[in-house]
Amino acid sequence: EPEVTQTPSHQVTQMGQEVILRCVPISNHLYFYWYRQILGQKVEFLVSFYNNEISEKSEIFDDQFSVERPDGSNFTLKIRSTKLEDSAMYFCASSAGVASGANVLTFGAGSRLTVL
Amino acid sequence: DAKTTQPPSMDCAEGRAANLPCNHSTISGNEYVYWYRQIHSQGPQYIIHGLKNNETNEMASLIITEDRKSSTLILPHATLRDTAVYYCIVRVALTGKLIFGQGTTLQVKP
Repeated sequence: EPEVTQTPSHQVTQMGQEVILRCVPISNHLYFYWYRQILGQKVEFLVSFYNNEISEKSEIFDDQFSVERPDGSNFTLKIRSTKLEDSAMYFCASSAGVASGANVLTFGAGSRLTVL
Repeated sequence: DAKTTQPPSMDCAEGRAANLPCNHSTISGNEYVYWYRQIHSQGPQYIIHGLKNNETNEMASLIITEDRKSSTLILPHATLRDTAVYYCIVRVALTGKLIFGQGTTLQVKP
């Protein structure tokens, strides 16, 4: 069964450092998403991406965050200057489309980010 | 904010059916109901979705009331591996994003 792959599975960084989280979506999917989950809290939407541009973003997705699809397979989330409160599990997801409600988001296993 | 209301927790005996309710009284006519689950801190896993008809797949059944204001996810023979947080989500029309609520923590007991 096709899956979304995320790397690294766990990253520890110092406050203020830049972090890049990587995702390989399912190959024929066109829509890409990042979510995060702070320990013990709910899964929160960050951003959606389609046709090489952001289609929607949440209030959480401020100027310290950016997303990119640098090549035909990877989808990255960059956090420019990490803060303690960025510590969370970050999930990448992809879907084939959005129309008709018939398109399912498939999530990766997540990247755990710990900011010290 | 999530457009759904779910009980925070439920228990179910192993081998019995687990019935997880969800209220979505403000759902619009073109919005689908999706169910996902999350085991420990793993990525959310898709279970099933529907618009107005009842749906069944290899994992579960989804029963949607005629007025579409509520639905029930049924796991016909719950196992210990079904212990997870179950999320009922109304997918925003014509956008891809899913808005997660707090979900229902289902504990399957031996």
